[in-house]
Amino acid sequence: QKEVEQDPGPLSVPEGAIVSLNCTYSNSAFQYFMWYRQYSRKGPELLMYTYSSGNKEDGRFTAQVDKSSKYISLFIRDSQPSDSATYLCAMRRSNDYKLSFGAGTTVTVRA
Amino acid sequence: DAGVTQSPTHLIKTRGQQVTLRCSPKSGHDTVSWYQQALGQGPQFIFQYYEEEERQRGNFPDRFSGHQFPNYSSELNVNALLLGDSALYLCASSWGQGAGTEAFFGQGTRLTVV
Repeated sequence: QKEVEQDPGPLSVPEGAIVSLNCTYSNSAFQYFMWYRQYSRKGPELLMYTYSSGNKEDGRFTAQVDKSSKYISLFIRDSQPSDSATYLCAMRRSNDYKLSFGAGTTVTVRA
Repeated sequence: DAGVTQSPTHLIKTRGQQVTLRCSPKSGHDTVSWYQQALGQGPQFIFQYYEEEERQRGNFPDRFSGHQFPNYSSELNVNALLLGDSALYLCASSWGQGAGTEAFFGQGTRLTVV
């Protein structure tokens, strides 16, 4: 079993829809949770960074962490064609330098 | 301000050869991490360098080695290349002695082993 599980999709939504992405994990020691966006043939770009449980909002993006369920989510409101990309969740333990990534979910927003 | 830069962008090597990939961190950053991303997979942590020392290593064989220079740039070396080493190699930089946030990734080097 992988440490971080992420449905690879693909996910296709119409422009303006809400995109819902999620990851589950098995290691309860994870404390820091991140979401990255990766365009084709590019490196990952950090979107959201959350410590421990709770919600965080930044513009059209909302990240949620539920440590009791070992489940994290990313919501994208009013999705745009430019949001079409692969979204990667990542997480790490305190005092650990290694990030553990999910496999990524490919999202297409149709104009 | 240039972000994290990697070179080369692409390269093709033959099985059994050796390869060196290079990374310059974002200005002000002193820590460099390397990741391997196979097609359709998430990045896998190879190792991290801080103060010219390997600070942490992932589950990769000794064929993978690295170096960090006084100017904080870094190299990843892979010996005795296997077909399975074909992947996108990503460099990420951060700062500080504490466990940092890999906020800045380079565009990657796509290695193809034939």
